[in-house]
Amino acid sequence: QTVVTQEPSLTVSPGGTVTLTCASSSGPVTNSSYPNWFQQKPGQAPRALFYSTNYKYSWTPARFSGSLLGGKAALTLSGVQPEDEAEYHCLLYYAGAVVFGGGTKLTVL
Amino acid sequence: QVQLQESGPGLVKPSETLSLTCTVSGGSITTYYWNWIRQPPGRGLEWIGYMYYSGISGSTNYNPSLKSRVTISLDTSKNQFSLNLSSVTAADTAVYYCARHKRSLLGYYYMDIWGKGTTLTVSS
Repeated sequence: QTVVTQEPSLTVSPGGTVTLTCASSSGPVTNSSYPNWFQQKPGQAPRALFYSTNYKYSWTPARFSGSLLGGKAALTLSGVQPEDEAEYHCLLYYAGAVVFGGGTKLTVL
Repeated sequence: QVQLQESGPGLVKPSETLSLTCTVSGGSITTYYWNWIRQPPGRGLEWIGYMYYSGISGSTNYNPSLKSRVTISLDTSKNQFSLNLSSVTAADTAVYYCARHKRSLLGYYYMDIWGKGTTLTVSS
């Protein structure tokens, strides 16, 4: 069974840039795994940010971007705001099944 | 707009069967994938499984680690889908979410709508 790995935690300063990654035990992540990214704040349900690597929703902040980087899916936040402090989850699709990463807790400090 | 709302007992005894329902409002339950996902306290998200209903027939796909205990079903007359998880233990204590994913016309899969979640505790 595929295991999806994310950084457990990252810290970024306000106004800075940070990249979160999503790796697969099955090999390089490609567009065929349709990477999705979600933001989750304490006590709330996850909110979708990106699908299929870099397609954003109407509510996704412009300072967020999605990409493939070095065989991983990546979520980059530029000009980080205090309200970006949250847990970020990636999701990959494999053979019809859904696999989540362990999540990255992003601290803005 | 489509909204999802989970409902369930809140507390289940060990070895019993957990039953949760997700009510879909504002849209049809056909031609989408309807998922159950859970999040144990302080941990990440775990996909439980989904049911897809085309309007004619349905199919399911479950997390291999839970497959022997999981059943997901759908009631089109009520616009609801349900989760049954048998032989529960304390390890099944979690917030349970229902969520929709779909395949776009270009073939992309995306999970766009989630319920707010319902807390389920397994305890005697």
